[in-house]
Amino acid sequence: GNSVTQMEGPVTLSEEAFLTINCTYTATGYPSLFWYVQYPGEGLQLLLKATKADDKGSNKGFEATYRKETTSFHLEKGSVQVSDSAVYFCALSDRGNQFYFGTGTSLTVIP
Amino acid sequence: DVKVTQSSRYLVKRTGEKVFLECVQDMDHENMFWYRQDPGLGLRLIYFSYDVKMKEKGDIPEGYSVSREKKERFSLILESASTNQTSMYLCASSLFAGGRNTIYFGEGSWLTVV
Repeated sequence: GNSVTQMEGPVTLSEEAFLTINCTYTATGYPSLFWYVQYPGEGLQLLLKATKADDKGSNKGFEATYRKETTSFHLEKGSVQVSDSAVYFCALSDRGNQFYFGTGTSLTVIP
Repeated sequence: DVKVTQSSRYLVKRTGEKVFLECVQDMDHENMFWYRQDPGLGLRLIYFSYDVKMKEKGDIPEGYSVSREKKERFSLILESASTNQTSMYLCASSLFAGGRNTIYFGEGSWLTVV
C-alpha cells in the first residue's frame, strides 16, 4: 500500500542554518508529492508540490525534488528564519484520490 | 484562492452531547475529507466524500458520522461526544483529478469534551 515516512523531530536550528527534512514514500504507480506546513493553532497549508519524477517544487525559499529512483522528496532550505518554526508534513496523492501523510516534523528556529 | 471554512474554531461540549462540525469550500471540489489530528499520531482520516450524498469510511470512523447534502458543505457529527474525542478536527477538499489534485485544508476546529 501507499505510505509516507518522514524524519522524526523535533528539529531545533539556529537562524540562518541549513534545513533538511527527509521524506521517503511507498506507492504504486506515479503519485504526486507534497509538503505542507502547519503553524501553531492553524490548519495545514500547501508549501510546495511535484507531480512527476525529477520535478522540483519550490516556494518561500524551500525546495524539494521528486526522486523516483530513491523514492524520496526531501525538503530543504538554505537559511531558515524564526518565522519558519512550524510542523512540516510530507504527503502523497495517488490516482485513487486518496492522500497519505507523514506524521509531521516539528521545526523550531532560535534567534 | 481556495478557501475551506470551518464554522467553529473552538468548542467545549459535555459528554453525551451531539456535536456538529461544519465545513464549506468555495472551489466546487468533488472530494471532501474530515481528519483528526492528535499529538504524536499525525493526521487520521475519519470520513471522506467524493460526491453529494456519498461517503466512505476512513481509518477511524467509529463514533462519527457525516453528511453531505450539498457539494460545498460537509458536516461531521459526533452522535454522543466522549472525552476521547477531544482533538483538533481538520476539514479538507480536493478536485477529483486522478492523482494530480491538491488537498486544501481549513483552519481546524479545536473540540474539548468535558
